[in-house]
Amino acid sequence: DVKVTQSSRYLVKRTGEKVFLECVQDMDHENMFWYRQDPGLGLRLIYFSYDVKMKEKGDIPEGYSVSREKKERFSLILESASTNQTSMYLCASSFASAAPNEQFFGPGTRLTVL
Amino acid sequence: AQKITQTQPGMFVQEKEAVTLDCTYDTSDQSYGLFWYKQPSSGEMIFLIYQGSYDEQNATEGRYSLNFQKARKSANLVISASQLGDSAMYFCAMREGSPSLGGYALNFGKGTSLLVTP
Repeated sequence: DVKVTQSSRYLVKRTGEKVFLECVQDMDHENMFWYRQDPGLGLRLIYFSYDVKMKEKGDIPEGYSVSREKKERFSLILESASTNQTSMYLCASSFASAAPNEQFFGPGTRLTVL
Repeated sequence: AQKITQTQPGMFVQEKEAVTLDCTYDTSDQSYGLFWYKQPSSGEMIFLIYQGSYDEQNATEGRYSLNFQKARKSANLVISASQLGDSAMYFCAMREGSPSLGGYALNFGKGTSLLVTP
């Protein structure tokens, strides 16, 4: 059974803090993704990674950075948290080449920035 | 431009009835994949069904089927014999390009909230 875990279910931070969201998968997936989900907007891709130390910007990368030092771990970093980054953050992973290569999601981190 | 359009923000269906959730997509790629995910109130995203652009038959998984009309660029999800546990948000998503090249993310629609009533 594929398991994607995220470091926290709920997180409260203050404006200007540096925030780290961690994601770990145990299925040796090549691809990992970070999305944010807001009501009425669906899921929007922040960053993804298709290999260790590789990263690609998604649709809304501003204000975020990522790190992938090991294949199983993908971190999302908010360099200086702002209130408009209050959201649900979802991590996902998938194989690169085995169709349908559906993405498996973690439980999400609900981040509140005060 | 929106790549995935789900025009129904909310839907109601009675238990045991069938329901169709609409999804249209926009791509110029010949190779693409279409996915449906379910998100219950607990928040986890659950993969339901997949349709490849070259698949000639509509995908089916238990009570879920995907009505794929390539010329119309639609990929509607049909849930037969609805159950109370089907109440959730449903997202349609598309991957453009070939999976063998790796690294392709999904474009998600805004979702449809389905409520199944007794």
